[in-house]
Amino acid sequence: DAKTTQPNSMESNEEEPVHLPCNHSTISGTDYIHWYRQLPSQGPEYVIHGLTSNVNNRMASLAIAEDRKSSTLILHRATLRDAAVYYCILLNTGNQFYFGTGTSLTVIP
Amino acid sequence: KAGVTQTPRYLIKTRGQQVTLSCSPISGHRSVSWYQQTPGQGLQFLFEYFSETQRNKGNFPGRFSGRQFSNSRSEMNVSTLELGDSALYLCASSFTREIDGYTFGSGTRLTVV
Repeated sequence: DAKTTQPNSMESNEEEPVHLPCNHSTISGTDYIHWYRQLPSQGPEYVIHGLTSNVNNRMASLAIAEDRKSSTLILHRATLRDAAVYYCILLNTGNQFYFGTGTSLTVIP
Repeated sequence: KAGVTQTPRYLIKTRGQQVTLSCSPISGHRSVSWYQQTPGQGLQFLFEYFSETQRNKGNFPGRFSGRQFSNSRSEMNVSTLELGDSALYLCASSFTREIDGYTFGSGTRLTVV
């Protein structure tokens, strides 16, 4: 199974940028890098995904290393509503889905 | 458009009983997957269905089973419930999962007493 490694927790001040790292050294060429977040008492919510190039959407940016063995989710201005557990996972057509423990982000007002 | 709907939201069952949970995916989504979430183990993959066929299966005992109907709605069943089966069960649907990602439901909270 393709697995990812993330820090257990991170803190950020409100309205400052947040960089959430993810290591996926065993990534294969067909694995898409996906990020989800989960707020308390809710199901995970899709944030962003990419394959090789950096990606931007209204929620966040995804920076993918050139060798694809790591990626970083960037929240440009953290708000209190961004406090959640962030999961980095790898998806392709054949693998089982391993969420890992994720990174618990605390946003400090 | 309507999201992923899971029913019921909460359920209390007794050890030894069986339970069936339901998931209605987003219209047009043919892939449905199920996850178990507990404080100790986090999010664990149960199985995935695509066009009524099980495409992937996680490492759970045979007491956990599922199926998908022709309208893409899915059910999962747990027989002979154990206390350790108490968890949040999440369903997610996708059109093309590696490209579009998953949309999750709010889950069914199962408590086994």
